[in-house]
Amino acid sequence: GAVVSQHPSWVICKSGTSVKIECRSLDFQATTMFWYRQFPKQSLMLMATSNEGSKATYEQGVEKDKFLINHASLTLSTLTVTSAHPEDSSFYICSGGAFYNEQFFGPGTRLTVL
Amino acid sequence: RKEVEQDPGPFNVPEGATVAFNCTYSNSASQSFFWYRQDCRKEPKLLMSVYSSGNEDGRFTAQLNRASQYISLLIRDSKLSDSATYLCVVNTLGNEKLTFGTGTRLTIIP
Repeated sequence: GAVVSQHPSWVICKSGTSVKIECRSLDFQATTMFWYRQFPKQSLMLMATSNEGSKATYEQGVEKDKFLINHASLTLSTLTVTSAHPEDSSFYICSGGAFYNEQFFGPGTRLTVL
Repeated sequence: RKEVEQDPGPFNVPEGATVAFNCTYSNSASQSFFWYRQDCRKEPKLLMSVYSSGNEDGRFTAQLNRASQYISLLIRDSKLSDSATYLCVVNTLGNEKLTFGTGTRLTIIP
């Protein structure tokens, strides 16, 4: 299957700082990527759809000014958590689709905000 | 009502047993259906797609009942390595956007 990488795999930061997470498709081009968040013992919740060359589409209840998404190329999407707070601590996962309907997930980034 | 509902479990099953998971979805316009597997603190990985005619991959059998809006996964001769959370996933809009169920946690007991 296709490969998606994420960086960093984990990050610990102080409250109020911003954190950038990168999602790369390594062997395919992704015009669309998805960002999910997963809290402990809960399912993945879609946060936003990242569109190459245009604005991201955010799900209801997700603050676009807090979770900045940039999809500047066909292989890279970034998610920046601005002014992070402890309640933003979560497992953030991106995905991209190489084939119709099949999504390939990055390994995830575990964010801990102190 | 949630778009995709699953029994969260946990299911604790002895090695070698057969286990079945069920899932229901609310949108009758849903087009594609999948089972993903997620290990602890890892990303989800596609286990198998679910086709209208039902499909089998080794010890795993998936079935779809569109009339009842119901999806199932059967695991035969369960192995210790089958321990994971199994996610029922639905694609409704015909694009790449997926909706995940909450997952069913399975533990295979030696």
